[in-house]
Amino acid sequence: QVQLQESGPGLVKPSQTLSLTCSVSGGSISRGGHYWSWIRQHAGTGLEWIGYIYYSGRTYYNPSLKSRVIMSVDTSKNQFSLKLSSVTAADTAVYYCAGSGATFDSWGQGTLVTVSS
Amino acid sequence: DIQMTQSPSTLSASVGDRVTITCRASQSISDYLAWYQQKPGKAPKLLIYEASTLEIGVPSRFSGSGSGTEFTLTISGLQPDDFATYYCQQYDSYYTFGQGTKLEIK
Repeated sequence: QVQLQESGPGLVKPSQTLSLTCSVSGGSISRGGHYWSWIRQHAGTGLEWIGYIYYSGRTYYNPSLKSRVIMSVDTSKNQFSLKLSSVTAADTAVYYCAGSGATFDSWGQGTLVTVSS
Repeated sequence: DIQMTQSPSTLSASVGDRVTITCRASQSISDYLAWYQQKPGKAPKLLIYEASTLEIGVPSRFSGSGSGTEFTLTISGLQPDDFATYYCQQYDSYYTFGQGTKLEIK
């Protein structure tokens, strides 16, 4: 099973852009039929799917966040990335990257991103 | 959007008990339903997919059932390691999660 690891700043200022990268090991990000997602979890609450990217670059974003999200993939580095613009305190959460065929069968450990000045 | 509603939000039980968690979808999702277990500070772990298929390595005391809009997760013979939060998730139309059920020790 693949392993995933998130990286990026743990603190972002309001109105700026949150940027995270997920490094995939133990398998190719170009694996057909596998999608690469970002999911977040606000403190003490449930899970919110942000969107996914396929190795080809095809994306689909949660409509509730679509206007602020950009995902990209770098197959040469076996990585994919998330950018979330115009952040506010409401974007403070643990951000997970995850891989899925149909269901999320591999997850990163999660990284806490705090939005604060 | 497909909404997923779990009940109860919190469940108190003892080691050895049999417990059931319910998940309802706002529209039919066939059997495109998964269950996850999450422990504090950890990522969720896939337990069941296609409503009733156990992920490899998941103990047989976990079982899932249902189709359409109503689903259940049953744990028979609770073990100390099972006290955690459980989430259902639909993947019929992209992905949405239930709000979670926290299983506590009575």
